[in-house]
Amino acid sequence: DVQMTQSPSSVSASVGDRVTITCRASQDINFWLAWYQQKPGKAPKLLISSASTLQSGVPSRFSGRGSGTDFTLTINNLQPEDFATYYCQQANSFLGLTFGPGTIVDV
Amino acid sequence: QVQLQQWGGGLLKPSETLSLTCAVHGGSFSGYYWSWIRQPPGKGLEWIGEIFHSGSTFYNPSLKSRVTISADTSNNQFSLNLTSVTAADTAVYYCARGLPTSSGWFGSWGQGTLVTVAS
Repeated sequence: DVQMTQSPSSVSASVGDRVTITCRASQDINFWLAWYQQKPGKAPKLLISSASTLQSGVPSRFSGRGSGTDFTLTINNLQPEDFATYYCQQANSFLGLTFGPGTIVDV
Repeated sequence: QVQLQQWGGGLLKPSETLSLTCAVHGGSFSGYYWSWIRQPPGKGLEWIGEIFHSGSTFYNPSLKSRVTISADTSNNQFSLNLTSVTAADTAVYYCARGLPTSSGWFGSWGQGTLVTVAS
């Protein structure tokens, strides 16, 4: 299986800040990378697919970049509703679907 | 917009079989991959396996020996059976919809069901 790592594991931020989360795959996954946001007691919400495609309804302050093994999720102008845990996911089924360990964005 | 409603699980004893079902409402069951994903309390997400509407399945190798995912296309439902559960299987279990071509990423999720394994 492809191993996914994320950094940092947690980040403290304030409203209005820019936050960048890094996700690294143990082997080349091309653009098969998704990002999710999860709040306590809720199912994950898909934010970005194909490494950089913003899902419908997701605010444009979220953006994703990268390909191959290195990816980033950036949140510009952090809003109160953005405090949550963020997961990356390797999405190539032939390599076995795996999630990163998560990054907590808190105050 | 597709909605997933899941049920089952609850409190199980070690060695019992976990059974969950997910119903698909407001969208096509055919033509998509459907998955089960779990999350132990306070931990990250683990993909369990997938089924295509045709019935073809693919499982996480770490769980393959204990997992069966099946589909009831006439009722737009799919189910998870996990045998010989232990405390390590305690988790919130989610059903989710993948892509038409593979599981890929998951745009629609069930509400989650907590399964607790304890003697």
